[in-house]
Amino acid sequence: GNSVTQMEGPVTLSEEAFLTINCTYTATGYPSLFWYVQYPGEGLQLLLKATKADDKGSNKGFEATYRKETTSFHLEKGSVQVSDSAVYFCALKGSGAGSYQLTFGKGTKLSVIP
Amino acid sequence: DAGVIQSPRHEVTEMGQEVTLRCKPISGHDYLFWYRQTMMRGLELLIYFNNNVPIDDSGMPEDRFSAKMPNASFSTLKIQPSEPRDSAVYFCASSLGGGDSDTQYFGPGTRLTVL
Repeated sequence: GNSVTQMEGPVTLSEEAFLTINCTYTATGYPSLFWYVQYPGEGLQLLLKATKADDKGSNKGFEATYRKETTSFHLEKGSVQVSDSAVYFCALKGSGAGSYQLTFGKGTKLSVIP
Repeated sequence: DAGVIQSPRHEVTEMGQEVTLRCKPISGHDYLFWYRQTMMRGLELLIYFNNNVPIDDSGMPEDRFSAKMPNASFSTLKIQPSEPRDSAVYFCASSLGGGDSDTQYFGPGTRLTVL
């Protein structure tokens, strides 16, 4: 079946530091890949997505590239801010008929300190 | 649009009581999903609907859990009787379609505590 593995947190960074959160996946076919962000006390919000190999999703300074050869979708940001403190979830949606559900990683908690 | 709406935001109940969680999806969305989030198991899909019809309920943990979608704008998740291990955050999400890239939009969640 499908699965997503994320680096374990928590991750603590100073403001303006570079961020990488690793995500690898196992899936058959050609899944779509997503990063969701959950701020304290809130639901999940879509941060970015990529639907095919070599696509790059980007939003709010965050980027992730769909690498089929390494089955990875690592999240990066060049300069984090305190407001980026949240839990980040990598997720995939399988391809083909009936593949409507998202499979999530465990989440990585990011804390950015001034 | 107001987004996915869930109520209540917080629910505290005693073991054995019936609990009903409510969700209003985004207007026009054909798919509705119920997820449960716990520290131990992360985010798990419980059940999803397409055009008000339950499609896959294999994630529903036990017969104590049931979900309905009587119309396109309302769904309920019921736990009867509730147990302390049901304590979690329950999210509802909706999407326009079921395509590979269709985005699921999440509600704010209901934090359930069963004493």
